This record gives sequence, structure tokens and C-alpha cells, in this order.
Amino acid sequence: KAGVTQTPRYLIKTRGQQVTLSCSPISGHRSVSWYQQTPGQGLQFLFEYFSETQRNKGNFPGRFSGRQFSNSRSEMNVSTLELGDSALYLCASGIGPSGTGELFFGEGSRLTVL
Amino acid sequence: KNEVEQSPQNLTAQEGEFITINCSYSVGISALHWLQQHPGGGIVSLFMLSSGKKKHGRLIATINIQEKHSSLHITASHPRDSAVYICAVRVLQGGSEKLVFGKGTKLTVNP
Repeated sequence: KAGVTQTPRYLIKTRGQQVTLSCSPISGHRSVSWYQQTPGQGLQFLFEYFSETQRNKGNFPGRFSGRQFSNSRSEMNVSTLELGDSALYLCASGIGPSGTGELFFGEGSRLTVL
Repeated sequence: KNEVEQSPQNLTAQEGEFITINCSYSVGISALHWLQQHPGGGIVSLFMLSSGKKKHGRLIATINIQEKHSSLHITASHPRDSAVYICAVRVLQGGSEKLVFGKGTKLTVNP
């Protein structure tokens, strides 16, 4: 069974640009959640989707957005990139909403903003 | 004060030693996760707990809801256990549920 796939794995952008990251969950999983990891702040919750609906959202500005498609694949978008957005972005999938079962994480997308 | 506190921050052990990592939280939770992160970033979910105790191989996780405390134990530690161990709790905040993470415990097991 294929694991959670995140693309791209690495990317470099400049300030002011936007970026879209993709997450393909394990087949049959309907929940996808997104996290940002930085050396200073550690892991922080961005948002969670279940059956194409955003269920929960963390304390991030509106520049961070996401969506989930009918096949459960999810994308997150960051607009008007800032240097502080440099981070490892992780997604996790689950069968039900993430409070109800185990989470399976992808390898992450490492974003560098110059 | 962080909502989730882990101790110790760093831990060095000799192969074969018994390891304990602690996690304390200050809010009501619906679940607690123990995660393992190896260099390079990949995260593996070790346990999800809402009460009691779970065991998987050499790993044991316990939670005391009344005391708002959880522990992760590793028996007969091995160099391949070297990783960062992260505690995360699912909380209800501002009408929305989210995961809140501890800062992690970096474990190094020497042969």
C-alpha cells in the first residue's frame, strides 16, 4: 500500500512569490492535515480537511490556504511569500478526522524563501 | 508557558538502557499522539492514546488523564532508536480542534 506522497520535496522561491504544495493521502483515507515545522517554532498545525471540507484551522494568516479534492488529494497554497515561511511542510492522512485515529505522515516539502 | 511540555529536551543513552520521555499538558484533550522523527524530516506515528497504556514491541506509552501527563518508554534501547520524539495533543480551541505539539526530545543511543 503506497504511503502519503508529498510533492515537490524541495523548492526554492523568492519573497512575494506564491507556492502550491500537494499531498496524496493513503488510498481510502479521507482526512488530510497540514503542518509547518521550523527550528524556532517547532511543529504547528495549519489546517485539516475531511471529505473536501475544512474542519479545523490553526493560527496562520490568510496567505495560507488549502483545499481538498473529491479523490482526497489536498493542496496548500502560500501567497506573497515571506522569509519566515521557509520551513518543512508536512501533511498527514487518516481514515477519519485526525482526532479519531492514527496519523500517517508524508516526507514533507522543504520550502526555502530567498 | 507552552501548552505541551516535554522532558528532557535531550537524552543520551547507552545501548540496552531503559528510556523514559515525559509529556505534560495544561489543557483538556481528546487524544494524545507520540511521534518519531528521524533526521531528514519523516515522521512516524508511534501511538495514539486517550486513556491507559499501549505497547508495541519495545515501546510502551502511558497516559494519566487526571494528572495531564503521558510517558513514552523504550526498553532495551538500540542505536536505531536515535531520533526526535514528539508529543502532540488534540485540543479544542476557539471552537476548532487542532493538534498542539511539544518541542520534542532528541534521543541519542550510543552503541
